[in-house]
Amino acid sequence: SAVISQKPSRDICQRGTSLTIQCQVDSQVTMMFWYRQQPGQSLTLIATANQGSEATYESGFVIDKFPISRPNLTFSTLTVSNMSPEDSSIYLCSVVGGSYGYTFGSGTRLTVV
Amino acid sequence: LAKTTQPISMDSYEGQEVNITCSHNNIATNDYITWYQQFPSQGPRFIIQGYKTKVTNEVASLFIPADRKSSTLSLPRVSLSDTAVYYCLVGETGGGADGLTFGKGTHLIIQP
Repeated sequence: SAVISQKPSRDICQRGTSLTIQCQVDSQVTMMFWYRQQPGQSLTLIATANQGSEATYESGFVIDKFPISRPNLTFSTLTVSNMSPEDSSIYLCSVVGGSYGYTFGSGTRLTVV
Repeated sequence: LAKTTQPISMDSYEGQEVNITCSHNNIATNDYITWYQQFPSQGPRFIIQGYKTKVTNEVASLFIPADRKSSTLSLPRVSLSDTAVYYCLVGETGGGADGLTFGKGTHLIIQP
């Protein structure tokens, strides 16, 4: 199955600033997915990133707040913009990992102060 | 995507068999049932997937009755390291065109 490297693993940021999270996959994949996991909660899909086109955002998530880049088939970034304490969460990227099942990165634990 | 219902939490002891049941009354014909495991500070990890009857791998077994309205994840002889959150997901598999919809999951706690 695919191996995902996600950076940074954690960060503490000042409110009003932005953080860019990187996701590198060891194989070419068509779709990459970004999730948010708020403290003690389940995962929520933010958007789907398809190389060569605009990302598709789920209800409640907008491009201005969570811009996504997908420059090639092995890499994607998610930016959390103009952060507030409510953005403190774990952010994860994911790809289809094999015959079935999705592979997830280890996540980026973001704390906004 | 079919909605799933599973217990919020379960407790068990080392060496016991643990069964976690998931209800999915509105499962569609094309839907598969997939279970993921998530440890703290890690992303979810695929455990097992099935469509009907029984599936077994080196980690777990998945039992699916004929009506497919529920499924049971069975973990044999659990250890402390099986303490994790277990998610039951129902939907079409393959293709990779859609992200996953996670329910609340079951927080399994294994005690010595």
